[in-house]
Amino acid sequence: AAGVIQSPRHLIKEKRETATLKCYPIPRHDTVYWYQQGPGQDPQFLISFYEKMQSDKGSIPDRFSAQQFSDYHSELNMSSLELGDSALYFCASSLGGAGYNEQFFGPGTRLTVL
Amino acid sequence: KQEVTQIPAALSVPEGENLVLNCSFTDSAIYNLQWFRQDPGKGLTSLLLIQSSQREQTSGRLNASLDKSSGRSTLYIAASQPGDSATYLCAVSNSGGGADGLTFGKGTHLIIQP
Repeated sequence: AAGVIQSPRHLIKEKRETATLKCYPIPRHDTVYWYQQGPGQDPQFLISFYEKMQSDKGSIPDRFSAQQFSDYHSELNMSSLELGDSALYFCASSLGGAGYNEQFFGPGTRLTVL
Repeated sequence: KQEVTQIPAALSVPEGENLVLNCSFTDSAIYNLQWFRQDPGKGLTSLLLIQSSQREQTSGRLNASLDKSSGRSTLYIAASQPGDSATYLCAVSNSGGGADGLTFGKGTHLIIQP
């Protein structure tokens, strides 16, 4: 079965640079979520989109922005990168925007900021 | 603010034993609860989803129960195998009307000794 696809899988950036992470949801899923998992930490919710509209916002820094496109893929844009942004970034998708729908996670993008 | 706690933080048992992982949450107004498995440096694999109206879900050797009123869930693993070694995460969703993010516990690190 098709899963959530994230690219790139690994990314190395310098401080103050920008990064763009991409997420392709499971076919027919219309909802996308972004999470950040620091070393040894549990995943923290950043932001979600349902039918291309922002649905919920978590602990996403103002330096980050995201959007969902007409084909339902999503991009997380990160600017003025800091050392503390080094983490695993997960995208998840679900069918429908209701909270009772199961979220399926992608393999993650490991971002390292030097 | 929803808080999720998992006990124990770590568990090491011999192969073949049955075991129980515990999860508690502070706000009982949840819409669903998901159990995930995460291998080191990898993505999250959804194991079971329990909707707030359900009491339990079963998948193979796994059984998850939910007591919404008391804010508790348990994940029961029967006849444990070395391949079950991983971190198990419990997460709750607090909304059925929007694509709200999940709130995670810090996980139980499980080691099954051959």
